[in-house]
Amino acid sequence: GDSVTQMEGPVTLSEEAFLTINCTYTATGYPSLFWYVQYPGEGLQLLLKATKADDKGSNKGFEATYRKETTSFHLEKGSVQVSDSAVYFCALSDRSSGYALNFGKGTSLLVTP
Amino acid sequence: ETGVTQTPRHLVMGMTNKKSLKCEQHLGHNAMYWYKQSAKKPLELMFVYSLEERVENNSVPSRFSPECPNSSHLFLHLHTLQPEDSALYLCASSQEARGLDEQYFGPGTRLTVT
Repeated sequence: GDSVTQMEGPVTLSEEAFLTINCTYTATGYPSLFWYVQYPGEGLQLLLKATKADDKGSNKGFEATYRKETTSFHLEKGSVQVSDSAVYFCALSDRSSGYALNFGKGTSLLVTP
Repeated sequence: ETGVTQTPRHLVMGMTNKKSLKCEQHLGHNAMYWYKQSAKKPLELMFVYSLEERVENNSVPSRFSPECPNSSHLFLHLHTLQPEDSALYLCASSQEARGLDEQYFGPGTRLTVT
């Protein structure tokens, strides 16, 4: 079945450092891919998404490119801020899985001043 | 303000208690979801409602009983829970019950079963 694998956290970076959080997926069809973010004490929020191969999703300085050949959707940001500290979830949706969003386990990011 | 509210935010209950979690969405959406978030595990989809009809039930134990009286409200009734049911329970809504639609999440109810 469909699944998402994220890099293990926690990830600790200094402010203004470059961020990469790896995400790879397994799907039987042609999934849509998402990154959600969960700030402390809050629910998940959609950060960005891509619905077909080679699409790039972007928001708030974060980017991720849908790579079908490597089944990946890595999240990147050129210069992180303390306010980016949160848990990041990669997810996919596939028509064959019906209504469900399949989430990865999440990667915790801590950005220090 | 995400448009999805959940009450209570924290709940401690014994294994013999009966309690209910409440979710309300103010976004005019037609679909609502319950997820379970446990430490070190992916989010688990529990139930999906579309226009007040349950459309998915992911093999959730019967001690969890959902109720959707209208498209804006979703409840999760709890009874005779086990300690391993302790988790963060998240409610979400989307325009339609399709994975492609963005899901809007509430802040969750932190449940502790003693």
